[in-house]
Amino acid sequence: EVQLVESGGGLVQPGRSLRLSCAASGFTFDDFAMHWVRQAPGKGLEWVSGITWNSGTIVYADSVRGRFTISRDNAKNSLYLQMNGLTAEDTAFYFCAKGRGRQVALIPDHWGQGTLVTVSS
Amino acid sequence: SYVLTQPNSVSVAPGKTASITCGGNNIGSKSVHWYQQKPGQAPVLVIYYDSARPSGIPERISGSNSGNTATLTISRVDAGDEADYYCQVWDSSSDHWVFGGGTKLTVL
Repeated sequence: EVQLVESGGGLVQPGRSLRLSCAASGFTFDDFAMHWVRQAPGKGLEWVSGITWNSGTIVYADSVRGRFTISRDNAKNSLYLQMNGLTAEDTAFYFCAKGRGRQVALIPDHWGQGTLVTVSS
Repeated sequence: SYVLTQPNSVSVAPGKTASITCGGNNIGSKSVHWYQQKPGQAPVLVIYYDSARPSGIPERISGSNSGNTATLTISRVDAGDEADYYCQVWDSSSDHWVFGGGTKLTVL
């Protein structure tokens, strides 16, 4: 069974940084692209970033490019999101999602339960 | 960037059929995927590549895509289908995943 468990969320002041982690199990992690998707409380889904199986291709939403960095450690079956220069507009639940294959263009098909990031002074 | 448009809400009586649309410029040329999200839960993929169902998704949930509109259809609706539904496509011109704004399905 695919399991994705996010961690690292919390309350952070504007302008500060936070690093999210996603622990994956139940599948061969290094065979699949991974994604981060966020959802502001009471709002819709917003794709944030994706990374191919070997980190060869990384893509970002315009809203986070230059501030957020996605990475993965296949030896540890883990996905990360380094978030710098946080603003109130980054307040959201952040979901880790597994792609259907190695490329980022393949649909995310399993999601974690999410971790809440709140940016506030 | 590519824009997907969904109705904010759809209401349907139990046992009837609900149709949720997702509009986009020539969306019929893209592959459309649909997620169901219940309150407090993560999204669940219910339709991918326009009309394919993941294992465990009932046959009464179906999808179609043509022209400028993709449609998610849920037949014999029951209270358990109450949820938010999101369509999604890959925009190859920007290398972005794009979501529709979501539709809240209410079972009367």
